[in-house]
Amino acid sequence: AQTVTQSQPEMSVQEAETVTLSCTYDTSESDYYLFWYKQPPSRQMILVIRQEAYKQQNATENRFSVNFQKAAKSFSLKISDSQLGDAAMYFCAYRVTNAGKSTFGDGTTLTVKP
Amino acid sequence: EPEVTQTPSHQVTQMGQEVILRCVPISNHLYFYWYRQILGQKVEFLVSFYNNEISEKSEIFDDQFSVERPDGSNFTLKIRSTKLEDSAMYFCATTNRGQGSYGYTFGSGTRLTVV
Repeated sequence: AQTVTQSQPEMSVQEAETVTLSCTYDTSESDYYLFWYKQPPSRQMILVIRQEAYKQQNATENRFSVNFQKAAKSFSLKISDSQLGDAAMYFCAYRVTNAGKSTFGDGTTLTVKP
Repeated sequence: EPEVTQTPSHQVTQMGQEVILRCVPISNHLYFYWYRQILGQKVEFLVSFYNNEISEKSEIFDDQFSVERPDGSNFTLKIRSTKLEDSAMYFCATTNRGQGSYGYTFGSGTRLTVV
């Protein structure tokens, strides 16, 4: 069974600084997709960034980027120039190609200090 | 930007009662999912739905649960006889690709409280 592990239950960062959230996963599949979702206090889940496992290039979306290490099964999220609005719970998720469901990690609560 | 709409936002029900949670997917999305999140905990998969039938379901999705798309727009999750442990946030998610390359669009969730 696929598992997703987020080893940092809580992280904090100073406004304008950079923070990295860790995620590792376990799978025997070669094709899959990885995602980071943000859940602010409103509880809505918002897609932040996605990465296809067959792509070597790391995905980037504005201030958000990932460090995807396929051999190590690691998928960390870097948030640059952190803003107060980045404060939220962040979930790493894994999804196999052609399969419907996603498997989520336990989440990391990010606090941004002014 | 298109949204997934869930109603109600909060429902309180007595143990043993039936509840129906509703979701209106984005119009061109074809793949629908229900997830639940017990407060502050992991997001858990319940069921996926495509072409008017269940594609996959988890162990949580037992005989007390059912899904349907009765009128081609609403996508509903029914819990026949609620238990205290069904108290959770229920999220509907949709995507227009089943190949995995696209993330979900989530609704804002329904907070179900069973008393």
